[in-house]
Amino acid sequence: DGGITQSPKYLFRKEGQNVTLSCEQNLNHDAMYWYRQDPGQGLRLIYYSQIVNDFQKGDIAEGYSVSREKKESFPLTVTSAQKNPTAFYLCASSMGRSNTGELFFGEGSRLTVL
Amino acid sequence: AQSVAQPEDQVNVAEGNPLTVKCTYSVSGNPYLFWYVQYPNRGLQFLLKYITGDNLVKGSYGFEAEFNKSQTSFHLKKPSALVSDSALYFCAVRDTGNTGKLIFGQGTTLQVKP
Repeated sequence: DGGITQSPKYLFRKEGQNVTLSCEQNLNHDAMYWYRQDPGQGLRLIYYSQIVNDFQKGDIAEGYSVSREKKESFPLTVTSAQKNPTAFYLCASSMGRSNTGELFFGEGSRLTVL
Repeated sequence: AQSVAQPEDQVNVAEGNPLTVKCTYSVSGNPYLFWYVQYPNRGLQFLLKYITGDNLVKGSYGFEAEFNKSQTSFHLKKPSALVSDSALYFCAVRDTGNTGKLIFGQGTTLQVKP
């Protein structure tokens, strides 16, 4: 079945460590997105990419980095510079900027900093 | 700036009663509006969207939403609530900057009691 796969589902990290969250899609979508979810704050956009080898900062990009070397993959690295990284991270994809349709979401990755 | 507001943190209804989850938006031009549902520790599932046309939009699981341009609202409704409808609901508006990204409200928890 087509969809978006995020891994790992749960991740624990010590302070000062970088961690990379995986996001893979087989929907042949051009655009991919990373959102962060905190209780009571909804979803906030971290980074997005509308095409391979190109990406843009969202509203809360500080302390995060991404790459888009392949159409189907959009990994997110949470660096040690991120002050409060404990959160639920959601990856999404869509057909792209010309599309009026919805975003498709993965099942999320929960990161806890110990 | 574009924004979405969900004025209620939580909505409580009895099973079998109608439910309404409120959403208002602020965007220049014609809005593209969406509703998503999230179950605990899961990704977001698409329910319905308004792009153009009929103001009453029907979606998944018996949900519908009414677009009201004069009140800048897009309330989610269901004629008869089920206990299994208990979840977190997000309203979203598409960014008018042609990026494809969605701007989310802070979410409303729906609690349906037997």
